[in-house]
Amino acid sequence: QVQLKETGPDLVQLTQTLSITCTVSGFSLTTYNVHWVRQPPGKGLEWMGAMWNGGGTDYNSAFKSRLSISRDTSKSQVFLKMNSLQTDDTAKYFCARHDGSLDYWGQGVMVTVSS
Amino acid sequence: DIQMTQSPPSLSASLGDKVTITCQASQNINKYIAWYQQKPGKAPRLLIRYTSTLESGTPSRFSGSGSGRDYSFSISNVESEDIASYYCLQYDNLPWTFGGGTKLELK
Repeated sequence: QVQLKETGPDLVQLTQTLSITCTVSGFSLTTYNVHWVRQPPGKGLEWMGAMWNGGGTDYNSAFKSRLSISRDTSKSQVFLKMNSLQTDDTAKYFCARHDGSLDYWGQGVMVTVSS
Repeated sequence: DIQMTQSPPSLSASLGDKVTITCQASQNINKYIAWYQQKPGKAPRLLIRYTSTLESGTPSRFSGSGSGRDYSFSISNVESEDIASYYCLQYDNLPWTFGGGTKLELK
């Protein structure tokens, strides 16, 4: 069955870099796209970017050049990296499969940016 | 970027009520709108895609409609398990954008 699971740190220091891994199963990254979405505590959802099945990427310009998405198809993993973290980057980070819309989601990883 | 204006931000309903949530896009999104349900601490769950197509497992009391810039999502006969937050998502243009969310509570 289709599953996605995010793994990453609970806590990241101010101005440091966040790295999260999304490990997928039940589908191929060369067939389906994977997106990243985040949600600050008590707030709404924000689309961050996508890894397309062909290997290309797109990003929300709100993250300017801080965000990078990559993948390792042999390991069925998609990676999110975001640098220069600020306190307003405290959020739950989700990866989700794109099939038409975002149909399957990971459970998310809650990341707190600490000063 | 396309702005998705979702209303109302919160909604209070009694069991058995019909409730409706709307999303207005800042431009035509060609029916590429999805609706999600999110319960506290959980990931969003896709209920409806492409305006009105129910996902497998979505109860028939949920429905969606609309075109152009204006879309709506309804729950007829609200049940206790429907108490959650709901979000629209436009996926016509990058960057994809979500509505601000609607929190459905029991009256």
